Amino acid sequence: DQQVKQNSPSLSVQEGRISILNCDYTNSMFDYFLWYKKYPAEGPTFLISISSIKDKNEDGRFTVFLNKSAKHLSLHIVPSQPGDSAVYFCAASRNFGNEKLTFGTGTRLTIIP
Amino acid sequence: NAGVTQTPKFRILKIGQSMTLQCTQDMNHNYMYWYRQDPGMGLKLIYYSVGAGITDKGEVPNGYNVSRSTTEDFPLRLELAAPSQTSVYFCASSYTTQQPRIFGPGTRLTVT
Repeated sequence: DQQVKQNSPSLSVQEGRISILNCDYTNSMFDYFLWYKKYPAEGPTFLISISSIKDKNEDGRFTVFLNKSAKHLSLHIVPSQPGDSAVYFCAASRNFGNEKLTFGTGTRLTIIP
Repeated sequence: NAGVTQTPKFRILKIGQSMTLQCTQDMNHNYMYWYRQDPGMGLKLIYYSVGAGITDKGEVPNGYNVSRSTTEDFPLRLELAAPSQTSVYFCASSYTTQQPRIFGPGTRLTVT
């Protein structure tokens, strides 16, 4: 039972353009969401998070949007840079992040120079 | 400040062998976690700890044990290794809550 789904295993984007990574969830009790980035042979790195009391959170080139009615969140990277090439995981939690995370399966983003 | 360190980086075990994966953090974080990542899958929580002396099971604890005698160290013990435990293991830590913020580089384990 995959409660957090990233339906695109891979995505290629031209350098300088916008990258949009999508994540869907099925558990309506999830109210806190995180994105992690992972390079090969390294551990994941926390990127950005959002609580269900907001529908948008920005940090530099990274913006996360949350659509609670659709149970959908997306990560926008603008502009995309070669160093953004990595696997991106979304994760969800209940109780505003105070319960264990459920991870998606990841999307491999490749930025084409 | 080394963050989260894990040893070893790679290990091959035979079925039935045991081993301990080491994890140390130097950030005085209260929360520590062990995750495994199988190919093409997300991370699954094995065990976590909210402080020295306190541990709890995650989603996939069977076949593993942990201890947390100090704030810094959170070793993961595999008893009677099985091929299903072939995976990449990540240790992580955070100061508060259940949101791992700093991950170690991982241990790639193969059981044959």
